[in-house]
Amino acid sequence: DAGVIQSPRHEVTEMGQEVTLRCKPISGHNSLFWYRQTMMRGLELLIYFNNNVPIDDSGMPEDRFSAKMPNASFSTLKIQPSEPRDSAVYFCASSLAQGSSGYTFGSGTRLTVV
Amino acid sequence: GESVGLHLPTLSVQEGDNSIINCAYSNSASDYFIWYKQESGKGPQFIIDIRSNMDKRQGQRVTVLLNKTVKHLSLQIAATQPGDSAVYFCAEKYTGNQFYFGTGTSLTVIP
Repeated sequence: DAGVIQSPRHEVTEMGQEVTLRCKPISGHNSLFWYRQTMMRGLELLIYFNNNVPIDDSGMPEDRFSAKMPNASFSTLKIQPSEPRDSAVYFCASSLAQGSSGYTFGSGTRLTVV
Repeated sequence: GESVGLHLPTLSVQEGDNSIINCAYSNSASDYFIWYKQESGKGPQFIIDIRSNMDKRQGQRVTVLLNKTVKHLSLQIAATQPGDSAVYFCAEKYTGNQFYFGTGTSLTVIP
């Protein structure tokens, strides 16, 4: 298994531009999580999906952020328009929803907004 | 100006010594706990887990201890190696499928 796959690994964009981060969860996992990691706040849960349905998006900082999961093998996190304070490492993780199990994290996307 | 960020607890140990990393969790209803290791430039990786009906679990070179009375979790690493240098997070689960992560402890192994 290739694990959770995120793309791109690095993204540098100008303030005001749209940014789309992508995630492919582990096959068979039915829960998907988007996290943001910064020095200021550590690991923050932004949103998570069960069976492609958003369950809790209370961590999404503002309307500029949106996430979709059109099918079981793909999710996107979009920031429009991006701002310098969005600079962070964004992680996607997946797990089995049934029973207790841990998350498998992707390698993350390092976003820099200049 | 000076940036303000999370003040990560840090631990420095000599190679070959044992390490103990501590974590205070927040919810007495938490029933499942995981320790994650995050190396620089990588995502957190699962190390070991423990359920609330246990107080100790051993893996390869790692042991997790759970004290529910004081809501405390610890990770012990035996014979610490330079490759163990990383940030270690504890995570607790008390609702649904959602884990809540601590702020992490930075471990540095001195060769």
